[in-house]
Amino acid sequence: DAGITQSPRYKITETGRQVTLMCHQTWSHSYMFWYRQDLGHGLRLIYYSAAADITDKGEVPDGYVVSRSKTENFPLTLESATRSQTSVYFCASSESEQGVNYGYTFGSGTRLTVV
Amino acid sequence: KNEVEQSPQNLTAQEGEFITINCSYSVGISALHWLQQHPGGGIVSLFMLSSGKKKHGRLIATINIQEKHSSLHITASHPRDSAVYICAAQTYKYIFGTGTRLKVLA
Repeated sequence: DAGITQSPRYKITETGRQVTLMCHQTWSHSYMFWYRQDLGHGLRLIYYSAAADITDKGEVPDGYVVSRSKTENFPLTLESATRSQTSVYFCASSESEQGVNYGYTFGSGTRLTVV
Repeated sequence: KNEVEQSPQNLTAQEGEFITINCSYSVGISALHWLQQHPGGGIVSLFMLSSGKKKHGRLIATINIQEKHSSLHITASHPRDSAVYICAAQTYKYIFGTGTRLKVLA
């Protein structure tokens, strides 16, 4: 199916475990983003990527690692999960032309609970 | 102070009412986005504005660049419009408001 797919939709993990959230897009969009959404906060940018092999930190990168070896995939890894990382995670993609990003397309989100 | 502020935070309306959600921002932007998040959690992009006004069905979005203010209007509201509406200011990054939770009662 065309679009942006996140997996898993729901995940429960234990404190200290490594967990990877997957994001796959089929449009060959240049830009991909990871956000977390928590009550009382707007969406907060964790990491973003402008192209394959180019990633950069966002607003709240601590405790997270990303990679982008292929344009279509942008996995987010929590190296040692903490309870404060319990959140809903959204992946998004966007095309860009002459430095202007077009509208976002969001994945369905992954609800992660760290116990 | 947040760089993007939305009001109201919560809004309950009766079916058929005209609804306005406001967004003020304090940064220079290249565009302003309105997003809709349904109870299931999925986020959909509604509008991207850099000036003036856009209309899609019963939804109208306006922006006043000088006043750094945007509004999202819903005409003839319907229970299926119940969702969280989020505005986002596009600079070199996106800055999101915390959202307006709208509930439309039948």
